[in-house]
Amino acid sequence: AQSVTQPDIHITVSEGASLELRCNYSYGATPYLFWYVQSPGQGLQLLLKYFSGDTLVQGIKGFEAEFKRSQSSFNLRKPSVHWSDAAEYFCAVVPTSGTYKYIFGTGTRLKVLA
Amino acid sequence: DSGVTQTPKHLITATGQRVTLRCSPRSGDLSVYWYQQSLDQGLQFLIQYYNGEERAKGNILERFSAQQFPDLHSELNLSSLELGDSALYFCASSVASGEVYEQYFGPGTRLTVT
Repeated sequence: AQSVTQPDIHITVSEGASLELRCNYSYGATPYLFWYVQSPGQGLQLLLKYFSGDTLVQGIKGFEAEFKRSQSSFNLRKPSVHWSDAAEYFCAVVPTSGTYKYIFGTGTRLKVLA
Repeated sequence: DSGVTQTPKHLITATGQRVTLRCSPRSGDLSVYWYQQSLDQGLQFLIQYYNGEERAKGNILERFSAQQFPDLHSELNLSSLELGDSALYFCASSVASGEVYEQYFGPGTRLTVT
């Protein structure tokens, strides 16, 4: 069955430090890939997406993600974290055929230390 | 602000009751999706409507139903409520269906069943 794994439930980093959030998927073909962020009390906001082409994708708020087919991964990175980045981050995959349903990971909650 | 609106923001009700959650998609979006976010199940896709017709179903209970009206707003009806139905319910919209489109999420309705 298709699945998305975000192995880190919580991550704590210091402001200004670099960040990498992991996402692995299980699917026969390369799916469409997304990262969303959810701030407290808010809905989900799209950070970036990968459909095809360049495997390094730039998003909003200084985030980027790299698709690695060999590792079935789509990790999210940011070179320097700001306190306002504290939120929950969700990776999502969408199969490339069928009903195009989003399958979300369980999320990684990011805490930023001042 | 994603442009997707949801009402009410909070809802507290008792077991056995019925509630209706409302969603207005972004202007121009024809597709509406409903999701349930709970601590134990994460973010689960419930159902999708496109231009008034049901397009895809996910993990939606038989006690739950939805519809999309001619003006494209959607309602999610939850009946015979149980304690386990307490969750955040998100609506999302996208421009169309049949391919993968970015989904824009509303702020959610927090349902508490007591």
